[in-house]
Amino acid sequence: DADVTQTPRNRITKTGKRIMLECSQTKGHDRMYWYRQDPGLGLRLIYYSFDVKDINKGEISDGYSVSRQAQAKFSLSLESAIPNQTALYFCATSDFVGTGGPGDTQYFGPGTRLTVL
Amino acid sequence: GENVEQHPSTLSVQEGDSAVIKCTYSDSASNYFPWYKQELGKRPQLIIDIRSNVGEKKDQRIAVTLNKTAKHFSLHITETQPEDSAVYFCAAQDNNNDMRFGAGTRLTVKP
Repeated sequence: DADVTQTPRNRITKTGKRIMLECSQTKGHDRMYWYRQDPGLGLRLIYYSFDVKDINKGEISDGYSVSRQAQAKFSLSLESAIPNQTALYFCATSDFVGTGGPGDTQYFGPGTRLTVL
Repeated sequence: GENVEQHPSTLSVQEGDSAVIKCTYSDSASNYFPWYKQELGKRPQLIIDIRSNVGEKKDQRIAVTLNKTAKHFSLHITETQPEDSAVYFCAAQDNNNDMRFGAGTRLTVKP
């Protein structure tokens, strides 16, 4: 599924470094999301955006920031990376149509594996 | 906010048997309940979903049931096959349009 892409796919960095993860989509969806996946914890929402002017904090936003540069692009930044931010990060998109319609389905990118030493 | 609990965390079945995974949610306003399958090293992919105005939905060997009163929903896989082995996640979307996921169930189907 090349409709949602993430770069880089793997990244190793050191504590204190600034890191940016990028997500692009060609689905034409308005809504984009960033999740973090840790073993045994499932997927946890970091930030989400309903359009280019709308940014919302998710369940675990501390230590992260985002930028919605365009409808198709949503970036996640770690201003000063720390080891417990080591995780698999997924971007997702959806085309919300309201009241639980078919557009609520979220489509995930391939993931970025981030290691903070 | 919404809280989703998923059980069991691991499940091992013999090929051909059925598998059932259960989830509970806390926000009675949640109205959309998808199930995702994640194979090793891959992205989560939607396998089935259910809306709050429906009690059951089937797609070949997969079915999902929803009990709004009890606030729980379940995934049923019949005639399991080795390729069904994966981690399965349930999720619930609430009125704030946040999607909250369960912690996942690692299903192993033994040939």
